[in-house]
Amino acid sequence: AQSVTQLDSQVPVFEEAPVELRCNYSSSVSVYLFWYVQYPNQGLQLLLKYLSGSTLVKGINGFEAEFNKSQTSFHLRKPSVHISDTAEYFCAVSDPAAGNKLTFGGGTRVLVKP
Amino acid sequence: KAGVTQTPRYLIKTRGQQVTLSCSPISGHRSVSWYQQTPGQGLQFLFEYFSETQRNKGNFPGRFSGRQFSNSRSEMNVSTLELGDSALYLCASSFRGQGGNEQYFGPGTRLTVT
Repeated sequence: AQSVTQLDSQVPVFEEAPVELRCNYSSSVSVYLFWYVQYPNQGLQLLLKYLSGSTLVKGINGFEAEFNKSQTSFHLRKPSVHISDTAEYFCAVSDPAAGNKLTFGGGTRVLVKP
Repeated sequence: KAGVTQTPRYLIKTRGQQVTLSCSPISGHRSVSWYQQTPGQGLQFLFEYFSETQRNKGNFPGRFSGRQFSNSRSEMNVSTLELGDSALYLCASSFRGQGGNEQYFGPGTRLTVT
């Protein structure tokens, strides 16, 4: 079984400041890792994913994440946030042998203040 | 290219009734997954269909069922509704059934059970 823990439920941050959202996972098998964003009243949009290879993954909208196998972490970062980054962010894992099934963390709500 | 569409967007039902939700994937996508999103339990996987076959199923009671048609459109059905079934139901489509592929989410159907 897999599980995902997002350590912060809410992260307030000022505009143009950096932000880091923490994600830890547990799994008995190798996993694929994802970050999704959900804006109010919308579905989820993929920010980035890690399947294999370089542990630093770059995504859309200036986001990047680093896979750390020893710490079973996949933290998301952005060097300078905008008001439009206010949203809820979800970390997710999938078992490569289990199709498209995603196991999500509880989410981190990011509030960007002017 | 049109995105994933879900109908209806909002639905109010009474306890004990049944409901059917519909999901039309992006053209050419053969995998459709369903998720339930609630404030208490977060995002939970319901099931995945690929080429009309259920590939994965989450830990939900048998009241939750689904199917996929030959045009890849999918429906999910919940029978004997309970108050706890109130949630946002999201579907996601993907071109392939293998893990690691980008999944595109619809805007969801918000179900309220009274």
